Amino acid sequence: KAGVTQTPRYLIKTRGQQVTLSCSPISGHRSVSWYQQTPGQGLQFLFEYFSETQRNKGNFPGRFSGRQFSNSRSEMNVSTLELGDSALYLCASSLAGQGKAFFGQGTRLTVV
Amino acid sequence: SQQGEEDPQALSIQEGENATMNCSYKTSINNLQWYRQNSGRGLVHLILIRSNEREKHSGRLRVTLDTSKKSSSLLITASRAADTASYFCATVWWNNNAGNMLTFGGGTRLMVKP
Repeated sequence: KAGVTQTPRYLIKTRGQQVTLSCSPISGHRSVSWYQQTPGQGLQFLFEYFSETQRNKGNFPGRFSGRQFSNSRSEMNVSTLELGDSALYLCASSLAGQGKAFFGQGTRLTVV
Repeated sequence: SQQGEEDPQALSIQEGENATMNCSYKTSINNLQWYRQNSGRGLVHLILIRSNEREKHSGRLRVTLDTSKKSSSLLITASRAADTASYFCATVWWNNNAGNMLTFGGGTRLMVKP
């Protein structure tokens, strides 16, 4: 089985721009979660989607949004980028929730 | 915000020695999981322990959970250079919302010297 695939792996954007990150979960997994990892704040939960519905949301501003498609693939979008949005963004998939999560390799976003 | 603290923040040992990492958390949990991360890459799931379990083993890994103290420990026995990585504990808690939200600790950076 293919693992969780995140694209792109690296991104450099300018302040004020917007960005879309993509995540393809493991086949059959319906739950997709997103996390932000920074040296200062560590790993923080952004949101979780299950069957195209947002089931949980972390404490991030509205500039961070996401969606899930009928094939369980998910995208997250960050609008009006700020320098502080520079981070490793990780996507994780699981069968239905509460159990082990499988992570992708992440997208390294640098905002300049 | 992070669930709690991991202790120590960094650990350096010789190959063959045992490594112990501790994790404390703040809220009730349904399960606690440990993950490994190699140098800025994705996380790899190591082991999951449910709130009604006290100890679990998987290969060279041993995890304990003390819900009364809200703490867990991960023991890696007979460490190898390949075990060099950051290790994170993560808790899961749900009420009526059966969502899958992991709340991570700050992590322990383990270096195993050959």
